[in-house]
Amino acid sequence: AQKVTQAQTEISVVEKEDVTLDCVYETRDTTYYLFWYKQPPSGELVFLIRRNSFDEQNEISGRYSWNFQKSTSSFNFTITASQVVDSAVYFCALSAGTIQGAQKLVFGQGTRLTINP
Amino acid sequence: GAGVSQSPSNKVTEKGKDVELRCDPISGHTALYWYRQSLGQGLEFLIYFQGNSAPDKSGLPSDRFSAERTGGSVSTLTIQRTQQEDSAVYLCASSRTSGRAYMNEQFFGPGTRLTVL
Repeated sequence: AQKVTQAQTEISVVEKEDVTLDCVYETRDTTYYLFWYKQPPSGELVFLIRRNSFDEQNEISGRYSWNFQKSTSSFNFTITASQVVDSAVYFCALSAGTIQGAQKLVFGQGTRLTINP
Repeated sequence: GAGVSQSPSNKVTEKGKDVELRCDPISGHTALYWYRQSLGQGLEFLIYFQGNSAPDKSGLPSDRFSAERTGGSVSTLTIQRTQQEDSAVYLCASSRTSGRAYMNEQFFGPGTRLTVL
C-alpha cells in the first residue's frame, strides 16, 4: 500500500521568511513518482513538480526548491523569501505500482501555508 | 478551452436524488481521473480511465457511484440516491499517456462542489 504523510497541518510565517514543507512517503515499489501540487484559495490544483524514484537530484525553480532523499523516504519543499501569493494549501502526492492503474495519485493531507505581510 | 473543465461548478441536491457531474479533459489527453476532496477524508482517488475503459475503479466508495467516458473525451460521474456523506468537491484530472506509464503529471479541473441536503 502507498501512503503520504504531511505532518504539518498549518504553517504561518511572515513574508520574506523561508519555509519548508515536509513530505514523507511509503511504498514497496521500486519505481514511483512524487509530485507537489498547490491549491490556492480559488480551489484549482496546480502542478508544481514531478520526480521519479531514480533521480535524487535536488531541483530549484526560482524561489522553489525540492529535496528528495530516498534514505529517509522524504520529498520536502522549500520556499525561499516567501510572498503573500504563496499562501495556499500544498499537497504532496505519490504514484506507484506495476500495473496501468497505478497512475492514480495518493495524496497527503495537505499543509495550509499562510504568508503574513 | 486550454484546461480541464467541469460542470456544474456547484450542485445542491436533496438526499435520495441522483446527480451527474461532467468533465471535459484537455484535448489529446487519453487518461482521465476522478477524485473527491472532503474535509474529513482529504483528496481521494475514485476512478481512472484510459480511453473509454476504466482499468481502475478501486476508489469508488459504493455501488451508488458509477462513471463512464465516451469518445475518449468527456466523462460523467453519476451518484445515485445521494447521501449527505457524498457532499464534497469532485475533481477531474487528465494526463497524456506515454510508453512510460507513470511519468505524466495530471492537470486538474476547478471541481464541482456537491452539497446534499
